[in-house]
Amino acid sequence: DAKTTQPTSMDCAEGRAANLPCNHSTISGNEYVYWYRQIHSQGPQYIIHGLKNNETNEMASLIITEDRKSSTLILPHATLRDTAVYYCIVGLYNFNKFYFGSGTKLNVKP
Amino acid sequence: EAQVTQNPRYLITVTGKKLTVTCSQNMNHEYMSWYRQDPGLGLRQIYYSMNVEVTDKGDVPEGYKVSRKEKRNFPLILESPSPNQTSLYFCASSLLGDRGRGYGYTFGSGTRLTVV
Repeated sequence: DAKTTQPTSMDCAEGRAANLPCNHSTISGNEYVYWYRQIHSQGPQYIIHGLKNNETNEMASLIITEDRKSSTLILPHATLRDTAVYYCIVGLYNFNKFYFGSGTKLNVKP
Repeated sequence: EAQVTQNPRYLITVTGKKLTVTCSQNMNHEYMSWYRQDPGLGLRQIYYSMNVEVTDKGDVPEGYKVSRKEKRNFPLILESPSPNQTSLYFCASSLLGDRGRGYGYTFGSGTRLTVV
């Protein structure tokens, strides 16, 4: 299983873009990159996922480098409600197991 | 509303008293899974199920049982709870996409279990 490396914490000013990096240098060709977030002790929330191409949805954008060894989650206009732990996960091909790791604690400040 | 429903939200029990945490989803998802979350250890998978009557162990299955008799339900059973099973538990479900690739979990709101 590919492991991921994320910064422990990051700060972002409200209204600015939040860019959360993730390294996954051992990712294999069939593995997707997923991003989830967990607000306080609520259940984790799916944000976005991708394989090779950049992806965008109503919540965020996902930029994956050409060699697929790293990615960045972008929240274009962070709000206080985006304060959460963000998990970058590389999913196994058969999707049996997800490894959540420690994630990045994003603090959005007024 | 599409959701995963866990019950109860909070539970305090005594060592050795069998308990069941229920999980139900209304999205016709094939895949369901249980996680526990502990400070400093993150989310760890207990059991998962790829479909009805198909279950398998995750990373920390000891002391737990599951069953998948119906597609929508995936109860977590603690036959003889112990204090080290005090934790925050999450149930999750997902569609299985093309060739088994899922398209994102939906998590329940969590069950905070305390075993004394």
